[in-house]
Amino acid sequence: RKEVEQDPGPFNVPEGATVAFNCTYSNSASQSFFWYRQDCRKEPKLLMSVYSSGNEDGRFTAQLNRASQYISLLIRDSKLSDSATYLCVVRNAGKSTFGDGTTLTVKP
Amino acid sequence: SQTIHQWPATLVQPVGSPLSLECTVEGTSNPNLYWYRQAAGRGLQLLFYSVGIGQISSEVPQNLSASRPQDRQFILSSKKLLLSDSGFYLCAWSQQGNQPQHFGDGTRLSIL
Repeated sequence: RKEVEQDPGPFNVPEGATVAFNCTYSNSASQSFFWYRQDCRKEPKLLMSVYSSGNEDGRFTAQLNRASQYISLLIRDSKLSDSATYLCVVRNAGKSTFGDGTTLTVKP
Repeated sequence: SQTIHQWPATLVQPVGSPLSLECTVEGTSNPNLYWYRQAAGRGLQLLFYSVGIGQISSEVPQNLSASRPQDRQFILSSKKLLLSDSGFYLCAWSQQGNQPQHFGDGTRLSIL
């Protein structure tokens, strides 16, 4: 079993749709959590940190459930520019474990 | 603000040739530094990380090596490249602890 698992997708949604990604992790000692966005042939870029209380940044909402060991990312009112691969990252003792990513394509 | 520079952006090398990729960070001191490789359509594989000058931890046995000669400089090397070394190499930095990582633009390495 992988330490961090994501549904690879692809998720194909129309503009304006709401889409949610989930990610599960196996190490209960994990200390911090992030979502990254990676465009084709580019480096990953930090999208947002994920806090236990849940946090929101514009159209993006991240949630953490420590008891069930999963994190989620919700994107509302999808834009064409949201098309990318979304990477779930779990961090512990200064080292990160990346999920393989979920691919999102937003269509007009 | 902090910036990370990684070069070259693209590299084509013959099998058996040496490799040297360089990464530098500006605007911070004593960062954690990382080298990752990403094969096409795959996730990121941690190759090396460093918490300080001269301190290198290797995650995957291979024909690559890393060095940190200065606080904000991280170098990935190989004496003899293999076909399987092809991939997208990413350098990253973070503050100490569990702060998020920030990536360089990456080097796309093709071995012929």
